[in-house]
Amino acid sequence: EPEVTQTPSHQVTQMGQEVILRCVPISNHLYFYWYRQILGQKVEFLVSFYNNEISEKSEIFDDQFSVERPDGSNFTLKIRSTKLEDSAMYFCASSPLAGAGDTQYFGPGTRLTVL
Amino acid sequence: GNSVTQMEGPVTLSEEAFLTINCTYTATGYPSLFWYVQYPGEGLQLLLKATKADDKGSNKGFEATYRKETTSFHLEKGSVQVSDSAVYFCALSALTGANSKLTFGKGITLSVRP
Repeated sequence: EPEVTQTPSHQVTQMGQEVILRCVPISNHLYFYWYRQILGQKVEFLVSFYNNEISEKSEIFDDQFSVERPDGSNFTLKIRSTKLEDSAMYFCASSPLAGAGDTQYFGPGTRLTVL
Repeated sequence: GNSVTQMEGPVTLSEEAFLTINCTYTATGYPSLFWYVQYPGEGLQLLLKATKADDKGSNKGFEATYRKETTSFHLEKGSVQVSDSAVYFCALSALTGANSKLTFGKGITLSVRP
């Protein structure tokens, strides 16, 4: 069964450094998402992406964040200058359609630790 | 805005016990409702969903009914197994602009003892 993959599984970085989190969505999906979960808190929406453009972004997704689909398979989240509060589990998701009832398929997550 | 509230956890049950995990929501419009499950070391997996009022989602012995009058989507299972030990997330999705986004509850950890 096709699945969303994410790399790395765990990333440790120093405050102020740039990180790139990588995701490979399911191949025939058109809609892509990033969510994050700070330890002990809710899973929060960051951004949605369709047709090489951001469709919607949350207040969390400020100028330090960017997303890109550099080729036909990868979907990346870049944090330009990491802060301590960026430490979280980051989940990528994809879906074939974008209706409210359509299922989003999640990857296993990347745990980002900012020191 | 939209929000999802789940009962506080963790929950510990003995095998074959009855499970209820409460979930209530606040939303404008007509959201779809989901339960996702996260097994240890894995990502979020869809467990079940319901897209309109009075729909019942079911999968792997779990059930949840979309109750618009009480704005609830409680998860139930008649007889839990050790393999059901995981974190359970209630979520809603409402179409916003070009696509939809999920709004999650905090998640609840279920541990099932043999």
